[in-house]
Amino acid sequence: DGGITQSPKYLFRKEGQNVTLSCEQNLNHDAMYWYRQDPGQGLRLIYYSQIVNDFQKGDIAEGYSVSREKKESFPLTVTSAQKNPTAFYLCATTSPAGGLGQFFGPGTRLTVL
Amino acid sequence: RKEVEQDPGPFNVPEGATVAFNCTYSNSASQSFFWYRQDCRKEPKLLMSVYSSGNEDGRFTAQLNRASQYISLLIRDSKLSDSATYLCVVNNQGGSYIPTFGRGTSLIVHP
Repeated sequence: DGGITQSPKYLFRKEGQNVTLSCEQNLNHDAMYWYRQDPGQGLRLIYYSQIVNDFQKGDIAEGYSVSREKKESFPLTVTSAQKNPTAFYLCATTSPAGGLGQFFGPGTRLTVL
Repeated sequence: RKEVEQDPGPFNVPEGATVAFNCTYSNSASQSFFWYRQDCRKEPKLLMSVYSSGNEDGRFTAQLNRASQYISLLIRDSKLSDSATYLCVVNNQGGSYIPTFGRGTSLIVHP
């Protein structure tokens, strides 16, 4: 069953702790993305990766880090430097050339206490 | 000016009504356009791509107006299950697929 998995679905962390969100895909897509969504807001791009071992900052990369060691995996670390980390985090992939738009994982809802 | 703008709504319509949303974009070089549907506390899901000639999928019709730089989504015979937020997405980059999302338009279909 092809798709994108994100874990965990809900995550609670204390302020000042780093936390890593998982994103795995078996769609064989090269490009992967991380977005953040706040209530009533659109999606904002954090980081993206067009190919293994390469990634680029998006619009709101400060306080976040990523790695892309495997095609299937694109984990996002929310560091203690992120001022307001409580949000809904979405991982996505894109089909080749983007013609079919983006495919999203179910998201991780992070709450920092 | 925001790159992609949508009226946030909510649009409150009765079952069976026809409703239309518009989305304007600022970059005239934008190349591809999509409508996504997002249910409350869920991930966005692709509803339909938008082609220059316009396209239809059942009760849904999408159109692109490049001259005025907007795309539209028309929903006919609204169902209760159409209640959701509809996101407009525009891809501005030629080489890389880096889409820009609108904030979404909320639709509530009531009995």
